Amino acid sequence: DTGVSQDPRHKITKRGQNVTFRCDPISEHNRLYWYRQTLGQGPEFLTYFQNEAQLEKSRLLSDRFSAERPKGSFSTLEIQRTEQGDSAMYLCASSPGDGNQPQHFGDGTRLSIL
Amino acid sequence: GESVGLHLPTLSVQEGDNSIINCAYSNSASDYFIWYKQESGKGPQFIIDIRSNMDKRQGQRVTVLLNKTVKHLSLQIAATQPGDSAVYFCAENIGQGAQKLVFGQGTRLTINP
Repeated sequence: DTGVSQDPRHKITKRGQNVTFRCDPISEHNRLYWYRQTLGQGPEFLTYFQNEAQLEKSRLLSDRFSAERPKGSFSTLEIQRTEQGDSAMYLCASSPGDGNQPQHFGDGTRLSIL
Repeated sequence: GESVGLHLPTLSVQEGDNSIINCAYSNSASDYFIWYKQESGKGPQFIIDIRSNMDKRQGQRVTVLLNKTVKHLSLQIAATQPGDSAVYFCAENIGQGAQKLVFGQGTRLTINP
């Protein structure tokens, strides 16, 4: 399978704990995006990378959230001191680096905060 | 503000019929639009896209229409099949290139046998 891969698929943790998610984009894609989706809603943009550079961050991305893409390949999204409101599906997408190209999504990591 | 909305939250059609899913967007500067299909427990799956310099684009069994005058987008699915049952989202790109997508709330399409 050469699609976008996310790990883990599900994460259950207690409030206050830190969590980290990983995304492996389609190999030739330079752009990588993180979105959050809550039940019954469309995905909401969080941040995006062009290679290793983080070029835009949503105001939804509080200081408890940090994303990295150190070598321009896989990316990690970390949430520190998780809160109940962080419960959601975290989606990663990737696209080629030139022009308007569709973003291709992984199947997400579902985070549940107890 | 930045928002993309759907006219109907749910749509039921008979198997074999055509379906039309509508979407209204608010940002007149958006230059690129995408339709996604999302099945339960999965990520959004790309269906078809259209750039703002076009008003119609066809794929396999799907057609997207763009009316920039009234900021309206639609997805037509021909000869619907049970596998078409899913939630459909339109998304608009804000900014140059595919940098940031703004999604609507989605329409749940149910295909009746």
